Amino acid sequence: EAGVTQFPSHSVIEKGQTVTLRCDPISGHDNLYWYRRVMGKEIKFLLHFVKESKQDESGMPNNRFLAERTGGTYSTLKVQPAELEDSGVYFCASSRGAWRVDEQFFGPGTRLTVL
Amino acid sequence: AQSVTQLDSQVPVFEEAPVELRCNYSSSVSVYLFWYVQYPNQGLQLLLKYLSGSTLVESINGFEAEFNKSQTSFHLRKPSVHISDTAEYFCAVIEQGNLIFGKGTKLSVKP
Repeated sequence: EAGVTQFPSHSVIEKGQTVTLRCDPISGHDNLYWYRRVMGKEIKFLLHFVKESKQDESGMPNNRFLAERTGGTYSTLKVQPAELEDSGVYFCASSRGAWRVDEQFFGPGTRLTVL
Repeated sequence: AQSVTQLDSQVPVFEEAPVELRCNYSSSVSVYLFWYVQYPNQGLQLLLKYLSGSTLVESINGFEAEFNKSQTSFHLRKPSVHISDTAEYFCAVIEQGNLIFGKGTKLSVKP
């Protein structure tokens, strides 16, 4: 069974540009999560999808971030326009059930650098 | 809101030595605790978790953690580490279905 995959693995962009990150969860996992780790800080929750619906987006930093999960399969996270403070590693995770402590499986992350 | 504190950002140890990675969480009525590990160039992997029952939980590769409610701690231990244990370790707690992480501890095992 394939794990959670993320694309790209690295992205370097200039301030003001747009970047789109993609996450493919484990097949059959209805729950999909985005997290971000800014250098030297904690991994922080951004949002949670259940199928195609946003269950919780309380961690999204501002309206420059837009997450979608059309059809309840893969998800994209778009940053537009990117700012310097958006640099960090963006992790995606998925889990099978709606049970709140079901194991979350993580992807390898996308390292975003905004210059 | 929950918070997780990992006091040690880096822990260097020699191979076959014991190690303890410390984790403290903010108090709550009920708490579910996790340790995740991130090996170089990989995603986070669940190492072990405490949901209920026995306060001592073990992983398949020799790590164990003990839930201590009075001290609000969930320290991770291994009696004898290997080079392959070199990784970053994250303690986490569940809040409203979402993981709240500590800052991570980099374990570096030297020969």
